[in-house]
Amino acid sequence: QVQLVQSGAEVKKPGASVNVSCETSGYTFTSYYIHWLRQAPGQGLEWMGRINPRSGGTSYAQKFQGRVTMTGDTSISTAYMDLSRLTSDDTAVYYCARSLAGTTFYWYFNLWGRGTLVTVSS
Amino acid sequence: DIQMTQSPSSLSASIGDRVTITCRASQSISRFLNWYQQKPGMAPKLLIYDASTVQSGVPSKFSGSGSGTDFTLTISSLQPEDFATYFCQQSYITPLTFGGGTKVEIK
Repeated sequence: QVQLVQSGAEVKKPGASVNVSCETSGYTFTSYYIHWLRQAPGQGLEWMGRINPRSGGTSYAQKFQGRVTMTGDTSISTAYMDLSRLTSDDTAVYYCARSLAGTTFYWYFNLWGRGTLVTVSS
Repeated sequence: DIQMTQSPSSLSASIGDRVTITCRASQSISRFLNWYQQKPGMAPKLLIYDASTVQSGVPSKFSGSGSGTDFTLTISSLQPEDFATYFCQQSYITPLTFGGGTKVEIK
């Protein structure tokens, strides 16, 4: 079964870091890109960046540069997103999603994880 | 960054209605526009990619059109399962950006 299974909800204090995992199954992990997006409560969707699991290469939205790190472990077909220096503005549901590999033209998402709620509160 | 503007932000419609949602890009994005449906508490679902290609498994009542800066999503005959929020997304250039969403509610 082709699916993305994300780790569970997190509660973090301001200034802390969070790591969210995305375990893939049912397809070849290295043949597709994994993207990370987020959605604040009642808000729209925001793209954070993507990783090419084959090469480990990443592309991050400038807004998150220096604060986000995306990695992948090909041995267990799992992608990870680490976000540091959290503030209350980072409270959101974080999604991993799959796209075709290649240029941005192919970066639409036909497979999504269920989302991970990250709450930042003192 | 390319700004994506959807209209309306919400609409009320009846079962069987034809519904059209528009999405405008702040610059030309050729045909690289995608549409998603999202229901409360769930991840988005891809409906249309490349402006007009219906994703496999999506009912043919959904259709998309447009190129350049102006795009539309049409639902030919609204059914109860179609009440949701719809988002457009450009995949022309990074950062990928989304419209603010259109919430389709029951009249």
